Amino acid sequence: QVHLVESGGGVVQPGRSLRLSCAASGFSFTIYALHWVRQAPGKGLEWVAVISHDGTITDYADSVKGRFTISRDNSKNTVFLQMNSLKNEDTAVYFCATDGWSFRQTFPEYWGQGTLVTVSS
Amino acid sequence: DIVLTQSPGILSLSPGEKATLSCRASQTVRDGSLAWYQQKPAQAPRLLIFGASNRATGIPDRFSGSGSGTDFTLTLSRVEPEDFAVYYCQQYAASPYTFGQGTKLEIK
Repeated sequence: QVHLVESGGGVVQPGRSLRLSCAASGFSFTIYALHWVRQAPGKGLEWVAVISHDGTITDYADSVKGRFTISRDNSKNTVFLQMNSLKNEDTAVYFCATDGWSFRQTFPEYWGQGTLVTVSS
Repeated sequence: DIVLTQSPGILSLSPGEKATLSCRASQTVRDGSLAWYQQKPAQAPRLLIFGASNRATGIPDRFSGSGSGTDFTLTLSRVEPEDFAVYYCQQYAASPYTFGQGTKLEIK
C-alpha cells in the first residue's frame, strides 16, 4: 500500500526559507518520479514541481522557478522541496504525489495528506 | 502554458442523475494526456481517470472519461451520495502540468 507522509510545514516570514520532506513507503520508490502540488486556502490545485526517478530531470511551475528546488534521496525513500525567498502567495497545503508511470514524468497518482505552509509576517 | 477551463463551475444534481463535466484546453493536449481527480473537503485529491479515458485502480465504472484534442469530458452515469465533491482535470502533455479551476458537484 502506497503511503506518503509530508512534513516540514509551518509559519514562516516572507523572504525566509523552508524545506519540506515527503517520506514514502509501500512501492518501488526508485523507479517513480515524484511531484509536489499545492493548494492555497479555498482555491484549486496548482502543480509545483516534478523530479524523475533518478533525480536527473526536474521541472517547475513558472511561479516557483528559481526559488524552489526539488530533490530526492533514493536511499531514504524521501523527496524534498527546498523553498527559498518565500512570498505570501506561497501559502498553501503542499502535497507530494507519486507519478502514475514508472520511469516517466506524467500525472500524479497516489497523494499524501499534505503539509500546510503559511507565509506571513 | 496550456490553460484548462472547466465547466460548469457548479453542478447541482440529485442522486441517481447523470453528471457531465467538461474540460477545455487552450491548445491540443497531445496523446490524450489528461487526468481527472476528485477532491473532498480536507482530503487529498484522488485520481479517477488518466489518459483521458482509463479508469484508475479501484474507481467504479460509473465514472468514465472521453475526449481528445482540446475537449474532454468526465461522465458520472448515476451520481451516488459519495460523489459530491470537487473535480479537477489536469494535462500532463506539456510542462507546466496545469490543472483546471475545478467543478463543484453539489447536492440539489
